[in-house]
Amino acid sequence: AQTVTQSQPEMSVQEAETVTLSCTYDTSESDYYLFWYKQPPSRQMILVIRQEAYKQQNATENRFSVNFQKAAKSFSLKISDSQLGDAAMYFCAYRFGIQGAQKLVFGQGTRLTINP
Amino acid sequence: EAGVAQSPRYKIIEKRQSVAFWCNPISGHATLYWYQQILGQGPKLLIQFQNNGVVDDSQLPKDRFSAERLKGVDSTLKIQPAKLEDSAVYLCASSLDLAGEQFFGPGTRLTVL
Repeated sequence: AQTVTQSQPEMSVQEAETVTLSCTYDTSESDYYLFWYKQPPSRQMILVIRQEAYKQQNATENRFSVNFQKAAKSFSLKISDSQLGDAAMYFCAYRFGIQGAQKLVFGQGTRLTINP
Repeated sequence: EAGVAQSPRYKIIEKRQSVAFWCNPISGHATLYWYQQILGQGPKLLIQFQNNGVVDDSQLPKDRFSAERLKGVDSTLKIQPAKLEDSAVYLCASSLDLAGEQFFGPGTRLTVL
């Protein structure tokens, strides 16, 4: 079964510092996508970054970057120059296809606090 | 471009009552999803529609939950009768097609007393 594990229920970082959120997943698929979503207290889930499994190059979106280790099934998110607006729940998610439909499986989430 | 709309935002009911949630996806999005997010957990897919057809409802508790998307646009999720363990945030999401990026609505927080 496809599972996603986030081992850090909570993380905190000083404003302007760098923080890394961990995620591991279990799959036997070779073709899949990985995502990090941000869910601020208002609960609207927002896509932060995505990674295609077939791409070796790590994805980057401004201050957000990932470290994708396919053999280790690891997908961590690095946030550089942390800002107060980065405070939120962060969910790692894995997407795979079943008979044409794409299914998204989420981890338990990591609550990130930014200390001013 | 308007996002995914959901109503109501909050709902409190007694156990064994029924409740319905409404979702209006982004215009032109063929695929619609309903997720259940229990406090402290990640969202779990309940049902997925492609236009007005069900693609995946394998995790929908069909004895009490039902959902429809009759005209392939708006969708309604119903719980009847509700149980205490149904207390959660119900998220609706939509995507352009089956492989597209999912955009989420603000959710409906349900409390069952």
